Amino acid sequence: QKEVEQNSGPLSVPEGAIASLNCTYSDRGSQSFFWYRQYSGKSPELIMFIYSNGDKEDGRFTAQLNKASQYVSLLIRDSQPSDSATYLCAVEWGKLQFGAGTQVVVTP
Amino acid sequence: SQTIHQWPATLVQPVGSPLSLECTVEGTSNPNLYWYRQAAGRGLQLLFYSVGIGQISSEVPQNLSASRPQDRQFILSSKKLLLSDSGFYLCAWSVPRRSSYEQYFGPGTRLTVT
Repeated sequence: QKEVEQNSGPLSVPEGAIASLNCTYSDRGSQSFFWYRQYSGKSPELIMFIYSNGDKEDGRFTAQLNKASQYVSLLIRDSQPSDSATYLCAVEWGKLQFGAGTQVVVTP
Repeated sequence: SQTIHQWPATLVQPVGSPLSLECTVEGTSNPNLYWYRQAAGRGLQLLFYSVGIGQISSEVPQNLSASRPQDRQFILSSKKLLLSDSGFYLCAWSVPRRSSYEQYFGPGTRLTVT
């Protein structure tokens, strides 16, 4: 069974620090990888996607993909209290398979 | 720009009652449409997806059904709700001309079956 694994957290991060979130997946055939942010009680919001090995930066967010090791990570630089949310990793296997999410808490 | 609407936002229904949730998308044509369910503290589970009017693919056998009567309208239904149907129901769309997997979610419907 194809799986997407994330540490559920909570990941406590001081304001201004870097939050590092990891996601591993079980199938090497995946080509597309996504990070969604979900605030409590709200729907997921797409914040990053990455298709190629390496890093992709967008503002304070950096997605890192290593297909050989089957992991994708998300870095949040200069973390703000507004970054406190659950971050969902999604991997494409003909459809999107979501991890259960990592809760991030940014403390002032 | 594209927007996606879902209603109702919250719903409390007794066991055995019917269900109808509606999703509409504006600002795009012929989108791929999806219904997901998120149980408390769990990941998203794909229920149905549609690539066009009248075309429905079911991912998980259950007492739910979906229909797509118009290009930008997607409906989730049930004839008799179960307690296990409680959850956060999310509609999503994607643009077929780009990656089919870059999906955008609506605001969701929180369903409680009592």
